[in-house]
Amino acid sequence: QKEVEQNSGPLSVPEGAIASLNCTYSDRGSQSFFWYRQYSGKSPELIMFIYSNGDKEDGRFTAQLNKASQYVSLLIRDSQPSDSATYLCAVNSGYSTLTFGKGTMLLVSP
Amino acid sequence: GAVVSQHPSRVICKSGTSVKIECRSLDFQATTMFWYRQFPKQSLMLMATSNEGSKATYEQGVEKDKFLINHASLTLSTLTVTSAHPEDSSFYICSAFLGRELGDTQYFGPGTRLTVL
Repeated sequence: QKEVEQNSGPLSVPEGAIASLNCTYSDRGSQSFFWYRQYSGKSPELIMFIYSNGDKEDGRFTAQLNKASQYVSLLIRDSQPSDSATYLCAVNSGYSTLTFGKGTMLLVSP
Repeated sequence: GAVVSQHPSRVICKSGTSVKIECRSLDFQATTMFWYRQFPKQSLMLMATSNEGSKATYEQGVEKDKFLINHASLTLSTLTVTSAHPEDSSFYICSAFLGRELGDTQYFGPGTRLTVL
C-alpha cells in the first residue's frame, strides 16, 4: 500500500525563522510531488509541485526532492504568522489519484 | 483565482433528508473529479473518484447507495448524501484533476460544511 508519512507536529517557529517540513513516501515509482496548505476550516490549497530531484523555489517557498531517499521537504523562509496552517504532502504515482500524508501543523509565533 | 467551485458552502438539514452538493470546474474541463470528507482535526479521506460519463469508483467502506455521485458533464460533478444522519455531519470537499501544464494535480473546491440535526 502506498504511504506518505509526515510528522503531525505542531512545528513551532518564531516569526522570521525558516520552517522545515518533511515528508517520506513508500512508492519508489512516484513521479510527482505536491505541497498543499490547509488553514483551519478551509480546503487545501496547492502551493508547490516538484517533479525532478533537487530544489524548486517559488518566493519564500522551496521544495526539495530526493527520489533516492524517497524524501520531499518544504522550506518556508521568513516565516510569518499567516503561514500558520497544516501542510499536506501529496504524491502522484500515476494517473490522477494523489496519496496524501496526514499533514504537519505549523505554528509561527509573532 | 479559484478553478473549482462548490455549492452550497454550508448546509444544515434534518435527519433523514437528502442533500445535494455541486462541484464545478471553472474555465476548464475535468474528466476526473474527486470527493473527500474531513472530520474535525482529522486528515482528508478520499470517498470516491468521479469520471465523466461513467460510474464513480468508491473507496473501501464508503456506501455507494448512501453517497450518490453523478458526473454528467465535463464541468459538473454532484454528491448526494441520501437519508443523512448526524454522523454524516462533516466537511465535504471536491477536487478536479488538471493536466501536466497546470501541475498534473488536483485543485480543491472551497468545501461544503454539512450539519445534520
